Amino acid sequence: GAGVSQSPRYKVAKRGQDVALRCDPISGHVSLFWYQQALGQGPEFLTYFQNEAQLDKSGLPSDRFFAERPEGSVSTLKIQRTQQEDSAVYLCASSLHPSRPMDTQYFGPGTRLTVL
Amino acid sequence: SQKIEQNSEALNIQEGKTATLTCNYTNYSPAYLQWYRQDPGRGPVFLLLIRENEKEKRKERLKVTFDTTLKQSLFQITASQPADSATYLCALVMGNAGNMLTFGGGTRLMVKP
Repeated sequence: GAGVSQSPRYKVAKRGQDVALRCDPISGHVSLFWYQQALGQGPEFLTYFQNEAQLDKSGLPSDRFFAERPEGSVSTLKIQRTQQEDSAVYLCASSLHPSRPMDTQYFGPGTRLTVL
Repeated sequence: SQKIEQNSEALNIQEGKTATLTCNYTNYSPAYLQWYRQDPGRGPVFLLLIRENEKEKRKERLKVTFDTTLKQSLFQITASQPADSATYLCALVMGNAGNMLTFGGGTRLMVKP
Protein backbone atom coordinates (compact mmCIF):
# COMPACT_ATOMS: atom_id res chain seq x y z
CA GLY A 1 0.00 0.00 0.00
CA ALA A 2 0.93 3.64 -0.21
CA GLY A 3 3.29 4.99 2.38
CA VAL A 4 3.42 8.42 3.96
CA SER A 5 3.57 11.18 1.38
CA GLN A 6 4.58 14.79 1.82
CA SER A 7 4.29 17.82 -0.40
CA PRO A 8 5.96 19.82 -1.64
CA ARG A 9 9.25 17.93 -1.60
CA TYR A 10 11.19 21.17 -1.86
CA LYS A 11 10.18 24.67 -0.86
CA VAL A 12 12.17 27.86 -1.18
CA ALA A 13 10.81 30.85 0.71
CA LYS A 14 11.97 34.38 1.19
CA ARG A 15 12.46 35.41 4.78
CA GLY A 16 9.17 36.64 6.18
CA GLN A 17 6.95 34.52 3.93
CA ASP A 18 4.43 32.03 5.27
CA VAL A 19 4.68 28.38 4.19
CA ALA A 20 2.39 25.36 4.47
CA LEU A 21 3.69 21.81 4.39
CA ARG A 22 1.34 18.89 3.81
CA CYS A 23 1.46 15.32 5.11
CA ASP A 24 -0.71 12.40 3.95
CA PRO A 25 -0.28 9.59 6.48
CA ILE A 26 -0.92 5.93 5.85
CA SER A 27 -4.66 5.39 5.69
CA GLY A 28 -6.11 4.36 9.05
CA HIS A 29 -3.10 5.43 11.08
CA VAL A 30 -4.22 7.11 14.28
CA SER A 31 -0.95 8.73 15.33
CA LEU A 32 0.81 11.44 13.34
CA PHE A 33 4.10 13.13 14.20
CA TRP A 34 6.06 16.05 12.79
CA TYR A 35 9.84 16.21 13.15
CA GLN A 36 12.42 18.79 12.09
CA GLN A 37 15.80 17.60 10.81
CA ALA A 38 18.65 20.07 10.42
CA LEU A 39 21.49 19.22 8.08
CA GLY A 40 23.72 16.51 9.53
CA GLN A 41 21.52 16.06 12.61
CA GLY A 42 18.92 13.57 13.74
CA PRO A 43 15.21 14.44 13.55
CA GLU A 44 13.76 16.45 16.44
CA PHE A 45 10.18 16.09 17.61
CA LEU A 46 7.82 18.97 16.92
CA THR A 47 4.26 17.84 17.58
CA TYR A 48 1.96 14.82 17.88
CA PHE A 49 -1.65 14.17 16.86
CA GLN A 50 -3.94 11.37 17.90
CA ASN A 51 -6.65 11.49 15.25
CA GLU A 52 -7.60 15.18 15.08
CA ALA A 53 -6.44 16.01 18.61
CA GLN A 54 -3.06 17.68 19.02
CA LEU A 55 -1.89 16.05 22.23
CA ASP A 56 1.68 17.31 22.34
CA LYS A 57 3.13 20.43 20.80
CA SER A 58 6.04 20.80 23.17
CA GLY A 59 8.62 20.64 20.37
CA LEU A 60 7.31 23.54 18.31
CA PRO A 61 10.16 26.09 18.46
CA SER A 62 8.02 29.23 18.48
CA ASP A 63 4.50 30.52 18.07
CA ARG A 64 5.25 30.98 14.38
CA PHE A 65 4.81 27.22 14.01
CA PHE A 66 1.29 25.84 13.83
CA ALA A 67 0.04 22.36 12.95
CA GLU A 68 -3.42 20.97 12.36
CA ARG A 69 -5.12 17.73 11.42
CA PRO A 70 -8.78 18.73 11.26
CA GLU A 71 -10.31 15.47 10.02
CA GLY A 72 -7.84 13.09 11.59
CA SER A 73 -6.07 12.22 8.36
CA VAL A 74 -4.13 14.85 6.36
CA SER A 75 -2.01 17.23 8.42
CA THR A 76 -0.57 20.64 7.62
CA LEU A 77 2.41 22.27 9.29
CA LYS A 78 2.37 26.03 8.84
CA ILE A 79 5.28 28.32 9.50
CA GLN A 80 4.56 32.04 9.61
CA ARG A 81 7.11 34.78 8.93
CA THR A 82 9.83 32.28 8.06
CA GLN A 83 13.36 32.88 9.31
CA GLN A 84 16.64 31.50 8.01
CA GLU A 85 16.95 29.24 11.05
CA ASP A 86 13.76 27.49 9.92
CA SER A 87 15.69 25.97 7.00
CA ALA A 88 15.58 22.21 7.52
CA VAL A 89 13.88 19.04 6.36
CA TYR A 90 10.44 18.60 7.88
CA LEU A 91 9.51 14.96 8.32
CA CYS A 92 6.07 13.54 8.93
CA ALA A 93 5.55 10.08 10.42
CA SER A 94 2.49 8.01 11.22
CA SER A 95 1.80 4.92 13.27
CA LEU A 96 -1.22 2.67 13.53
CA HIS A 97 -2.13 2.88 17.19
CA PRO A 98 -2.30 5.63 19.76
CA SER A 99 0.20 5.74 22.57
CA ARG A 100 1.92 2.41 22.00
CA PRO A 101 5.66 2.88 22.40
CA MET A 102 6.52 -0.31 20.56
CA ASP A 103 4.71 0.84 17.41
CA THR A 104 6.74 1.39 14.29
CA GLN A 105 6.68 4.93 12.93
CA TYR A 106 6.54 5.20 9.15
CA PHE A 107 8.23 8.29 7.80
CA GLY A 108 7.53 10.30 4.69
CA PRO A 109 10.34 11.55 2.44
CA GLY A 110 10.27 14.99 4.02
CA THR A 111 9.95 18.53 2.75
CA ARG A 112 13.23 20.40 2.40
CA LEU A 113 12.59 24.05 3.30
CA THR A 114 15.16 26.65 2.38
CA VAL A 115 14.63 30.20 3.64
CA LEU A 116 16.63 32.84 1.81
CA SER B 1 17.52 16.98 29.41
CA GLN B 2 17.88 13.76 27.51
CA LYS B 3 21.09 13.46 25.52
CA ILE B 4 21.72 10.77 22.93
CA GLU B 5 25.17 10.46 21.40
CA GLN B 6 26.21 8.65 18.29
CA ASN B 7 29.63 8.84 16.69
CA SER B 8 29.33 11.78 14.34
CA GLU B 9 32.33 10.67 12.32
CA ALA B 10 31.64 8.42 9.38
CA LEU B 11 32.49 4.75 9.76
CA ASN B 12 34.34 3.33 6.76
CA ILE B 13 34.68 -0.44 6.50
CA GLN B 14 35.50 -3.03 3.89
CA GLU B 15 32.80 -5.20 2.35
CA GLY B 16 32.33 -8.44 4.26
CA LYS B 17 33.43 -7.01 7.62
CA THR B 18 31.22 -6.38 10.63
CA ALA B 19 30.13 -2.80 11.22
CA THR B 20 29.53 -1.78 14.85
CA LEU B 21 27.76 1.47 15.68
CA THR B 22 27.33 2.88 19.18
CA CYS B 23 24.51 4.82 20.81
CA ASN B 24 24.96 6.27 24.31
CA TYR B 25 22.32 8.12 26.30
CA THR B 26 22.03 9.99 29.59
CA ASN B 27 19.41 11.21 32.02
CA TYR B 28 16.73 8.74 31.08
CA SER B 29 15.82 5.10 31.41
CA PRO B 30 13.94 4.25 28.24
CA ALA B 31 11.74 1.22 28.04
CA TYR B 32 12.40 0.90 24.33
CA LEU B 33 15.15 1.78 21.90
CA GLN B 34 14.83 1.73 18.13
CA TRP B 35 17.27 1.82 15.23
CA TYR B 36 16.48 3.43 11.89
CA ARG B 37 18.24 3.65 8.55
CA GLN B 38 18.18 6.87 6.55
CA ASP B 39 19.31 7.25 2.95
CA PRO B 40 20.01 10.68 1.42
CA GLY B 41 16.83 12.51 0.51
CA ARG B 42 14.61 9.98 2.25
CA GLY B 43 12.90 9.61 5.58
CA PRO B 44 14.15 7.19 8.25
CA VAL B 45 13.15 3.54 7.88
CA PHE B 46 12.57 1.39 10.96
CA LEU B 47 14.95 -1.54 11.42
CA LEU B 48 14.74 -2.95 14.93
CA LEU B 49 13.21 -2.31 18.33
CA ILE B 50 14.66 -3.64 21.58
CA ARG B 51 13.01 -3.56 24.97
CA GLU B 52 14.79 -2.75 28.23
CA ASN B 53 14.48 -6.33 29.43
CA GLU B 54 16.04 -7.71 26.23
CA LYS B 55 19.81 -7.91 26.10
CA GLU B 56 20.07 -8.71 22.42
CA LYS B 57 17.93 -8.87 19.33
CA ARG B 58 18.72 -10.16 15.83
CA LYS B 59 17.18 -9.80 12.41
CA GLU B 60 18.97 -11.40 9.49
CA ARG B 61 22.42 -9.73 9.38
CA LEU B 62 21.49 -7.14 12.01
CA LYS B 63 22.12 -7.42 15.75
CA VAL B 64 21.25 -4.92 18.48
CA THR B 65 22.25 -5.01 22.13
CA PHE B 66 20.85 -2.88 24.94
CA ASP B 67 22.80 -2.39 28.16
CA THR B 68 20.69 -0.33 30.56
CA THR B 69 23.50 -0.25 33.12
CA LEU B 70 25.98 1.29 30.70
CA LYS B 71 23.15 3.26 29.03
CA GLN B 72 24.38 2.05 25.68
CA SER B 73 23.14 0.23 22.60
CA LEU B 74 25.31 -1.38 19.97
CA PHE B 75 24.12 -1.96 16.42
CA GLN B 76 25.98 -4.44 14.25
CA ILE B 77 25.75 -5.41 10.62
CA THR B 78 27.58 -8.62 9.80
CA ALA B 79 28.91 -9.49 6.33
CA SER B 80 28.43 -5.85 5.36
CA GLN B 81 27.65 -4.93 1.76
CA PRO B 82 27.98 -1.64 -0.16
CA ALA B 83 24.16 -1.48 -0.15
CA ASP B 84 24.34 -1.11 3.64
CA SER B 85 25.93 2.33 3.19
CA ALA B 86 23.58 4.84 4.83
CA THR B 87 23.12 6.87 8.01
CA TYR B 88 21.94 4.88 11.01
CA LEU B 89 19.94 6.58 13.74
CA CYS B 90 19.15 5.36 17.22
CA ALA B 91 16.03 6.65 18.93
CA LEU B 92 14.59 6.42 22.41
CA VAL B 93 10.86 6.12 22.91
CA MET B 94 10.00 8.85 25.33
CA GLY B 95 6.60 7.58 26.34
CA ASN B 96 4.83 10.89 26.71
CA ALA B 97 1.54 11.39 24.91
CA GLY B 98 1.94 9.09 21.98
CA ASN B 99 5.30 7.51 21.46
CA MET B 100 7.43 10.29 20.14
CA LEU B 101 11.04 9.49 19.39
CA THR B 102 14.15 11.25 20.57
CA PHE B 103 16.90 10.66 18.02
CA GLY B 104 20.65 10.67 18.17
CA GLY B 105 22.59 12.56 15.53
CA GLY B 106 23.19 9.46 13.43
CA THR B 107 26.33 7.72 12.20
CA ARG B 108 27.13 7.51 8.51
CA LEU B 109 28.33 4.07 7.42
CA MET B 110 30.31 3.63 4.21
CA VAL B 111 30.97 0.07 3.04
CA LYS B 112 33.62 -0.11 0.34
CA PRO B 113 33.76 -2.98 -2.16
